[in-house]
Amino acid sequence: GNSVTQMEGPVTLSEEAFLTINCTYTATGYPSLFWYVQYPGEGLQLLLKATKADDKGSNKGFEATYRKETTSFHLEKGSVQVSDSAVYFCALGWMDSSYKLIFGSGTRLLVRP
Amino acid sequence: EAGVAQSPRYKIIEKRQSVAFWCNPISGHATLYWYQQILGQGPKLLIQFQNNGVVDDSQLPKDRFSAERLKGVDSTLKIQPAKLEDSAVYLCASSSIQGAHTEAFFGQGTRLTVV
Repeated sequence: GNSVTQMEGPVTLSEEAFLTINCTYTATGYPSLFWYVQYPGEGLQLLLKATKADDKGSNKGFEATYRKETTSFHLEKGSVQVSDSAVYFCALGWMDSSYKLIFGSGTRLLVRP
Repeated sequence: EAGVAQSPRYKIIEKRQSVAFWCNPISGHATLYWYQQILGQGPKLLIQFQNNGVVDDSQLPKDRFSAERLKGVDSTLKIQPAKLEDSAVYLCASSSIQGAHTEAFFGQGTRLTVV
């Protein structure tokens, strides 16, 4: 069945460092890919999405490109800030009998000043 | 627009007791999801509604969990009786269009501790 695999955390970086969080997926058909972020004490919120191969989603300096050939959707940011400290979830959405949305296990990011 | 509302935010109960969670989705959203998020894991889908009908409850432990969505709007999730392993955050989410590549909007969740 469809699944999402993320790199394990925590990821600890210094402010202004480059960030990569890896995400790979297994799916049939043409799924959509999402990155959600969960700040402490809050619910999940959409960070960015891509709905077809080679699409690049971007928001708040974060980017991810839908790579069908490598079944990947890695999250990147050129210069992280302390305020980016959160848990990041890669997610896969697809249409079955209804619209399905499944999540990876999450990667905690800690940015130090 | 108002977001997804959930209550209560926190709940502590003893094992074998019952508990209920409430969710009010974004107005007009036809699809409603309940996810269980155990500490350190990603959200796991428990049940999905389309309007007031269930479209996926394959991972709902039906011997103890139940859910309903009255009139296709608000939803409640109940656990009876609770077990220690039910300790988790219960997330409600809603989305607007079935079949489209649309995002789900999440509430803040209810943190359940079973002691």
